[in-house]
Amino acid sequence: IAGITQAPTSQILAAGRRMTLRCTQDMRHNAMYWYRQDLGLGLRLIHYSNTAGTTGKGEVPDGYSVSRANTDDFPLTLASAVPSQTSVYFCASSDRAGGQETQYFGPGTRLLVL
Amino acid sequence: GQNIDQPTEMTATEGAIVQINCTYQTSGFNGLFWYQQHAGEAPTFLSYNVLDGLEEKGRFSSFLSRSKGYSYLLLKELQMKDSASYLCAVRDSNYQLIWGAGTKLIIKP
Repeated sequence: IAGITQAPTSQILAAGRRMTLRCTQDMRHNAMYWYRQDLGLGLRLIHYSNTAGTTGKGEVPDGYSVSRANTDDFPLTLASAVPSQTSVYFCASSDRAGGQETQYFGPGTRLLVL
Repeated sequence: GQNIDQPTEMTATEGAIVQINCTYQTSGFNGLFWYQQHAGEAPTFLSYNVLDGLEEKGRFSSFLSRSKGYSYLLLKELQMKDSASYLCAVRDSNYQLIWGAGTKLIIKP
């Protein structure tokens, strides 16, 4: 059981380029999340999906888009990358069946936009 | 606005006890989480508190006071492998997690 996988592990991207970060989970969790983590700041929510077919905006959604065509996959797209999007990106998932709903994280994607 | 405060960095000695505090101001409260994050790795779940009081799990304990907007994580019998950042997060009225910036814990022999 892999849990949550993310790809690529790291990427250097030229400003203005389009990039999709991939996230796949095999835990059949209904909720999935994308965060960015920057030095000195807490994790900030970019977008989330409570169930397949639905998505919502988090705290910092501008410049990013997501889709949730099925339960397992939740890709994050940067339409036209800018240097301020240099960050570590974490995908997470949780079971929204009620109660604790602990979030479990993927290994992260380290993105450098030049 | 919503705010989670925790110390930026703490230092402790191997074998000792350390307490990491977290204070929060959020729109609503639906539980508080502590995560551990080693450098270059993903956060991993440590503990969850939704009612006031102490939750003990081996060497780690977490305390919550909802009336004071306060929690702490207590680590006993510190080991070198406990060197990591510890993240406090509160689930708000929208059921989203609000994260603190994390406390970097340095363990010295």
